[in-house]
Amino acid sequence: GEDVEQSLFLSVREGDSSVINCTYTDSSSTYLYWYKQEPGAGLQLLTYIFSNMDMKQDQRLTVLLNKKDKHLSLRIADTQTGDSAIYFCAEKAGGYQKVTFGIGTKLQVIP
Amino acid sequence: GAVVSQHPSWVICKSGTSVKIECRSLDFQATTMFWYRQFPKQSLMLMATSNEGSKATYEQGVEKDKFLINHASLTLSTLTVTSAHPEDSSFYICSAPGALAGDNEQFFGPGTRLTVL
Repeated sequence: GEDVEQSLFLSVREGDSSVINCTYTDSSSTYLYWYKQEPGAGLQLLTYIFSNMDMKQDQRLTVLLNKKDKHLSLRIADTQTGDSAIYFCAEKAGGYQKVTFGIGTKLQVIP
Repeated sequence: GAVVSQHPSWVICKSGTSVKIECRSLDFQATTMFWYRQFPKQSLMLMATSNEGSKATYEQGVEKDKFLINHASLTLSTLTVTSAHPEDSSFYICSAPGALAGDNEQFFGPGTRLTVL
């Protein structure tokens, strides 16, 4: 079955770059997502990448995909205190619309 | 982007009672909606897929008689937690695929926090 893994915690200083890593097992993954969840809130889609892409950049966010190694990363440039949240990596395989989530990485930004 | 709402946003109930949670797609139609639950400091676990006009599909280990799902219209799915117990306390989140974006994106509701005393 599908499995998505990510580290639990990351701490960075304000202004530095943050890199959150994720690995997945399903080779048929079509879409890979990064969601942000602030305390007590729902999920906010940050960005997603198609499996036939290597990189996607959107303002401060850069997503890198290594399909061979099934590795996905999210880089946040110039990290701000408002970026403190839990970041979920998720994947969706093929046309079936079930999304499988990782456990989430808690990003702590130190002022 | 498309908007999904949930009601209520939080609910506290006594053990043994039933609680209904609504999930609405506000500006688009959703023939499929998904219900997730999230325990503290844990990931989202898919509970079931709600299908308009047909029975919901439940994930393994989820009791369909305890978590009743009704997809009454193209914009509304409800999850009823029957005979709730303290272990059912959790954060319940629904989502719907965005019609305009095809099946690329899932739009999530803000979640409902259920506390069973």
